[in-house]
Amino acid sequence: RKEVEQDPGPFNVPEGATVAFNCTYSNSASQSFFWYRQDCRKEPKLLMSVYSSGNEDGRFTAQLNRASQYISLLIRDSKLSDSATYLCVVNPRTGNQFYFGTGTSLTVIP
Amino acid sequence: DGGITQSPKYLFRKEGQNVTLSCEQNLNHDAMYWYRQDPGQGLRLIYYSQIVNDFQKGDIAEGYSVSREKKESFPLTVTSAQKNPTAFYLCASSIGTAGELFFGEGSRLTVL
Repeated sequence: RKEVEQDPGPFNVPEGATVAFNCTYSNSASQSFFWYRQDCRKEPKLLMSVYSSGNEDGRFTAQLNRASQYISLLIRDSKLSDSATYLCVVNPRTGNQFYFGTGTSLTVIP
Repeated sequence: DGGITQSPKYLFRKEGQNVTLSCEQNLNHDAMYWYRQDPGQGLRLIYYSQIVNDFQKGDIAEGYSVSREKKESFPLTVTSAQKNPTAFYLCASSIGTAGELFFGEGSRLTVL
């Protein structure tokens, strides 16, 4: 079983739509969770850390469900500039490794 | 500005040649990592280092070598033993086991 699993998509949504991505992780002891954004042929960049209480940054909301071992990312009022691949990253804090999902591709259509 | 610098951005290599990718950070981070990304795939860990003069193999270390002689530097050598080296290579660092990863802009290696 993979450490982190994501639906690869693609998700094609119209401007202004709300879209949600989920990511499941296998290690119940995992402590740190992140969402990264990666544009085509570029490096991943941190979008949000995910806290136990959930957190919001503008149009973006991240949530953690420890009981079901998944994290989610909600994007409201989608913009064309949101088109990218969104990577789920989990750090179990053992061995100092980070585990990446394969990414979910989002295209926002005019 | 603090950050991670990778060089070169693009590199072409003939089969049988070794190449070294540079990674330098001025973030004062203890941990550094090398990842490989292939088209349509996730990042795979090659090597990582938590402190100077120490490093560990990741999931796909075969055909690669690293060194960590200075805190700021973590170069990756792609040897001729790596059977399919064409890929996008990403260097990253983190402040420790809790913090997020910061990435360099990546090095794109093509074997001709």
